[in-house]
Amino acid sequence: QVQLQESGPGLVAPSETLSLTCTVSGASVSYGSYHWSWIRQPPGRGLEWIGYFHDEYRVRYSPSLQSRVTISLDTSRTRLSLNVNFVTAADTAVYFCAVYTTGESGRGYWGRGTLVTVSS
Amino acid sequence: DIQMTQSPSTLSASIGDRVTITCRASQSLNNWLAWFQQKPGKAPKLLIYKAFNLEGGVPSRFSGSGSGTEFTLTISSLQPDDYATYYCQQFNSQSYTFGQGTKVEMK
Repeated sequence: QVQLQESGPGLVAPSETLSLTCTVSGASVSYGSYHWSWIRQPPGRGLEWIGYFHDEYRVRYSPSLQSRVTISLDTSRTRLSLNVNFVTAADTAVYFCAVYTTGESGRGYWGRGTLVTVSS
Repeated sequence: DIQMTQSPSTLSASIGDRVTITCRASQSLNNWLAWFQQKPGKAPKLLIYKAFNLEGGVPSRFSGSGSGTEFTLTISSLQPDDYATYYCQQFNSQSYTFGQGTKVEMK
């Protein structure tokens, strides 16, 4: 069974960089075609798609975050990373990683999410 | 960038009620739409993929319909476990945007 686990600092200072890792276990996602994604949810609010990594040529970001976000996947396809630069309080959220099966419109796997608070 | 408009934002319903949630897209989605259910403190759970396909293990009282720019999630007979927030998400463009969410609460 595929499992995803987000990890990283729970507290980040304003103007610093938020860095998270999603560790994926389960052999089935080492092969095949997937969109490796990050989604976030500010406290009490809705889901916001951040971006995905499909392959080295297809990495896409939300237009509202594009200038500050980087998503990458290691070559073993077991660690998905997220960096968000110059954070503010508006970046406080639960951050989820998700692996969507390409062409299956939502099918895939989700992590449990990790809360990141931006505060001094 | 495709915009998703979900309605209503809140819905009050009783056990046994038929519940309908609508998602409208700013351009055609070619059925690349999913519906998720989320409960507090949990990750979203997939209910419907490709507009009308029921995910395995999801009760048959959930159904999806629609095409083009307008899609609907229906719960045929609301059960206690269905009180939650529901989101649509589109996969047609390079930005996988979500709707704003619909909270189904007890009437």
